[in-house]
Amino acid sequence: ILNVEQSPQSLHVQEGDSTNFTCSFPSSNFYALHWYRWETAKSPEALFVMTLNGDEKKKGRISATLNTKEGYSYLYIKGSQPEDSATYLCAFSAYNFNKFYFGSGTKLNVKP
Amino acid sequence: GAGVSQSPSNKVTEKGKDVELRCDPISGHTALYWYRQSLGQGLEFLIYFQGNSAPDKSGLPSDRFSAERTGGSVSTLTIQRTQQEDSAVYLCASSPNRGSYEQYFGPGTRLTVT
Repeated sequence: ILNVEQSPQSLHVQEGDSTNFTCSFPSSNFYALHWYRWETAKSPEALFVMTLNGDEKKKGRISATLNTKEGYSYLYIKGSQPEDSATYLCAFSAYNFNKFYFGSGTKLNVKP
Repeated sequence: GAGVSQSPSNKVTEKGKDVELRCDPISGHTALYWYRQSLGQGLEFLIYFQGNSAPDKSGLPSDRFSAERTGGSVSTLTIQRTQQEDSAVYLCASSPNRGSYEQYFGPGTRLTVT
């Protein structure tokens, strides 16, 4: 079993704050790192997939970076809005690629 | 187009009963995954189907759990003699093919075992 860890477990911020969370994963047999947003009562929605060391992805106010050598990825949200409230999941897929290994998620609550 | 659908959305059952959870993947997707999320835990891989290949069942937690995929499309996850620790949200996801980076999730089935 491959261990994917996310921190913090939960986060409460005020509207307008910028925030970031961490995903750590095994640095061997790396294939891809995925970020998902999971809003209550909805399906998890893919945000980013990153495959190369040093990858940086951006989607509006949300961005992510990847370091495959040390096995971590950061997700940043600039100027948080209440609609950003969700659980953010990361998932690691290994080179033999049958499975996605998910972290337990970071639950973000943005207060207006 | 239609996304991944799951039914039922909620299921409450008594301990010891059998339950069946259904997943309809996106048409044409060859890969199908089942996961579950127990309270406070991450998404736990259960089983993976790829085309006509033998499924990867390595994540099934006990022999009370089984899954099948008929005609390469619809999948059913069956839990026999349910226990309270089986209470979780069960998610299904499909991907276009092996090695695809994309994974599309259904809305999940919330199972509560009383």
